[in-house]
Amino acid sequence: DGGITQSPKYLFRKEGQNVTLSCEQNLNHDAMYWYRQDPGQGLRLIYYSQIVNDFQKGDIAEGYSVSREKKESFPLTVTSAQKNPTAFYLCASSMLGRAHNEQFFGPGTRLTVL
Amino acid sequence: SQQGEEDPQALSIQEGENATMNCSYKTSINNLQWYRQNSGRGLVHLILIRSNEREKHSGRLRVTLDTSKKSSSLLITASRAADTASYFCATDAGTSYDKVIFGPGTSLSVIP
Repeated sequence: DGGITQSPKYLFRKEGQNVTLSCEQNLNHDAMYWYRQDPGQGLRLIYYSQIVNDFQKGDIAEGYSVSREKKESFPLTVTSAQKNPTAFYLCASSMLGRAHNEQFFGPGTRLTVL
Repeated sequence: SQQGEEDPQALSIQEGENATMNCSYKTSINNLQWYRQNSGRGLVHLILIRSNEREKHSGRLRVTLDTSKKSSSLLITASRAADTASYFCATDAGTSYDKVIFGPGTSLSVIP
């Protein structure tokens, strides 16, 4: 079964802690993305990566960090510098190329800061 | 600034009726996509329309694109309660990269 998975589904963090959200895909996609979604709103791009060992900041990268050591994996760390991290986080992947940029999404991780 | 803006923000219809959602964008695009999101879930790709296409169909979905007006519409015919979801348009903003920009979405409620 090909797909994209995220874990955990729910995550609780104390203020001042860093947490890492997992995203794995077995679709052989080159590009991977992290989005943040706040209640009743659209998606905002945090980081994206088009190739292993390379990634670019999106619109709201402050307080977040990523790595892309393997094609299949694109973990997101929410650092203590992110002042309002409570949100729904979505990971996506796609093939490269304008004609093929349909994105496949994972089920999401809901992060709550206690 | 957002590239795509959906209209209306929320839509409530009876089962069997048609639902129409609109998307407007600001800059030239290579293609425009529509996605669906059920509550608390990830997004699912519905349809992609290229800038040189004017209309596209997929089952009960019909998408139109008017590049002169920088707008697109998504029509769901004969709606079902299972169509209840949020619908987002996404554009590539004509960039050379693969990132897309999502609008804020239309929340559709189909009442049985």
